[in-house]
Amino acid sequence: GAVVSQHPSRVICKSGTSVKIECRSLDFQATTMFWYRQFPKKSLMLMATSNEGSKATYEQGVEKDKFLINHASLTLSTLTVTSAHPEDSSFYICSARDFKGVSDTQYFGPGTRLTVL
Amino acid sequence: KNEVEQSPQNLTAQEGEFITINCSYSVGISALHWLQQHPGGGIVSLFMLSSGKKKHGRLIATINIQEKHSSLHITASHPRDSAVYICAVRNSGGSNYKLTFGKGTLLTVNP
Repeated sequence: GAVVSQHPSRVICKSGTSVKIECRSLDFQATTMFWYRQFPKKSLMLMATSNEGSKATYEQGVEKDKFLINHASLTLSTLTVTSAHPEDSSFYICSARDFKGVSDTQYFGPGTRLTVL
Repeated sequence: KNEVEQSPQNLTAQEGEFITINCSYSVGISALHWLQQHPGGGIVSLFMLSSGKKKHGRLIATINIQEKHSSLHITASHPRDSAVYICAVRNSGGSNYKLTFGKGTLLTVNP
């Protein structure tokens, strides 16, 4: 099946620094990618929808200046957590939509665990 | 907004037992996903279905569109099946692919 990768898988950073997380679709072109956040023992929460070549659409309550999303190519979207704080520590997951007209599905990346000290 | 309910929330089984996890939703959908999340976080897509039944190895997923209900079955369960199983639905209509997630079912299979 299709594969979506995320890099890094784990990152620890100091408070105030920025962290970039990459999401790549490895064997298909993804016009749409999604970024989720997951708190411990909770389900996934959609943060934003990233469309290639256009601005991301953020969910209510998600700060667009805090969580910068760039979808510069059909296989890569990045999420940058700016001026990270301990409360930003979480598990971030991306997914990529594989739409081929007849088939339309979504594949998930393995996630990135961010710890802000 | 679609309400997605999973049951049970927690399930403990002995190795070899037949497992069923249920998912109900409130509004018509165009697709339903079953996902698996192991401790440590990584999510694996198990099935995407919009009607009928799909089988992959020891896993079977069924969906009843009229009843707005899906089940995930695991035959001959094994300790490595221990994980959180998540149901996610895509609402009918619209051009995007936003998913609504259930809260997950924590499955523990004891040897």
